[in-house]
Amino acid sequence: GEDVEQSLFLSVREGDSSVINCTYTDSSSTYLYWYKQEPGAGLQLLTYIFSNMDMKQDQRLTVLLNKKDKHLSLRIADTQTGDSAIYFCAETSDTGRRALTFGSGTRLQVQP
Amino acid sequence: DGGITQSPKYLFRKEGQNVTLSCEQNLNHDAMYWYRQDPGQGLRLIYYSQIVNDFQKGDIAEGYSVSREKKESFPLTVTSAQKNPTAFYLCASSIDAPGTGEDTQYFGPGTRLTVL
Repeated sequence: GEDVEQSLFLSVREGDSSVINCTYTDSSSTYLYWYKQEPGAGLQLLTYIFSNMDMKQDQRLTVLLNKKDKHLSLRIADTQTGDSAIYFCAETSDTGRRALTFGSGTRLQVQP
Repeated sequence: DGGITQSPKYLFRKEGQNVTLSCEQNLNHDAMYWYRQDPGQGLRLIYYSQIVNDFQKGDIAEGYSVSREKKESFPLTVTSAQKNPTAFYLCASSIDAPGTGEDTQYFGPGTRLTVL
C-alpha cells in the first residue's frame, strides 16, 4: 500500500530555520498536508499543497513539493520554542478512499 | 464555536469490557473518520463514513464498531475483541469534496483509552 516516511527527530536553536522532510510513494496523491501535534492534543492543520503546485508560502511556513521525487518539505522560518511539537506529513488521493495516510511524525525540539 | 468534540478525554476500561468513545461535530461536514495513534507511530485509520447510515472499514477495523445515525455524530465502540486497545483515539471530519481542497480533515482533541 501507500507509504509516507519522515525522519523521527530534529533539533534546532531558537531563531534558526527548521526543515522537516517527508517522502511518499503514492503517485496518485492529490493533496499533501502538514499537521502539528502538541503533547496530549489533537492534530492542528498547518497547511496543505495541491499536487500540481511546487511551492506554497504562508507566513513563517514554506512548503516545497518535488513531485518527480515524491518529496515534500516544511520550512519554518525564525523557529520559536512554541513550535516544539510533532509534525505529521499526510497525503490523500482521489482513488476511492479519501482518508489520510500519515507518516510517523517528526519531533521538533527548539532549544532556547 | 464550530468544531469537533470528543469525550471523554481520558477513559479507563477493564479487560473484557466494551467501551464507546464519543465524537460530535457542528461543522456540517459529511465525512467523519476515526484514527488510532500509538507512540512513535503515525495515525492509522479504523473506520470512516462519507454519509449518514454508511461507513467503511479502514486499515485496522478488527475489534472496533461504529454507527452513523446522525450527520454530526460518529461514535466508536472498542469491543473486548480488540486485543490491544490502549491508545490515543482521534476523530476527524471533512466536507468530502475530493479534488477541491475542501476535503481537508479537521481533528478533535482526542480520547486516551487505557485498559487496566
